[in-house]
Amino acid sequence: EVQLVESGGGLVQPGGSLRLSCAASGFTFSTYDMHWVRQPTGKGLEWVSGIGTSGDTYYLGSVRGRFTISRENAKNSLYLQMSSLRAGDTAVYFCVRGGDPEAFDIWGQGTMVTVSS
Amino acid sequence: QSVLTQPPSASGTPGQRVTISCSGSSSSIGSHYVYWYQQLPGTAPKLLIYSNNQRPSGVPDRFSGSKSGTSASLAISGLRSEDEAYFYCAAWDDSLSGWVFGGGTKLTVL
Repeated sequence: EVQLVESGGGLVQPGGSLRLSCAASGFTFSTYDMHWVRQPTGKGLEWVSGIGTSGDTYYLGSVRGRFTISRENAKNSLYLQMSSLRAGDTAVYFCVRGGDPEAFDIWGQGTMVTVSS
Repeated sequence: QSVLTQPPSASGTPGQRVTISCSGSSSSIGSHYVYWYQQLPGTAPKLLIYSNNQRPSGVPDRFSGSKSGTSASLAISGLRSEDEAYFYCAAWDDSLSGWVFGGGTKLTVL
């Protein structure tokens, strides 16, 4: 079964850091682009960052320079290192597979990040 | 404010056909494929349509997508109560060098 499982969410103070992880299973992880998409409570979806199979990275403008996406193919894992966190970063963060041509075809269940003092 | 524009709500009665629009720009929908996602309450989004009008296996043919210029539409025919959900469109945007989503449309089955 194709599956994505996120972990690492929690409560962090403004200005703090957090590292999200995503464990992939059921498919050849190294051959897919991967993404992080977030959703504030009661609001819509917002793409945050993506990483290609060759390690090329892409970021939402408001997180560039604060967030770093990375992958470890040997461990079938995706990561999102978040620093200088702001209240506006509070959301459920989904790990998403970038199918080709299906784009965001497999989603994890999400992990909640709350930035608050 | 989202880069792609969707109506906040849509509604229909069982059996009816409803459409949801998604408006973008030349750098997004005008140049790239459009994707549609369905999100039921409390769950992760699910891919409904890819490459403008293609359905993944398992998605009923009641769901169809189309694109013209800088706009796209999702049509749902034979509306069912279980279709009640939020629907989002998405596309790559060259000017932002990133993916953009619509603000979402809440579909209510009356």
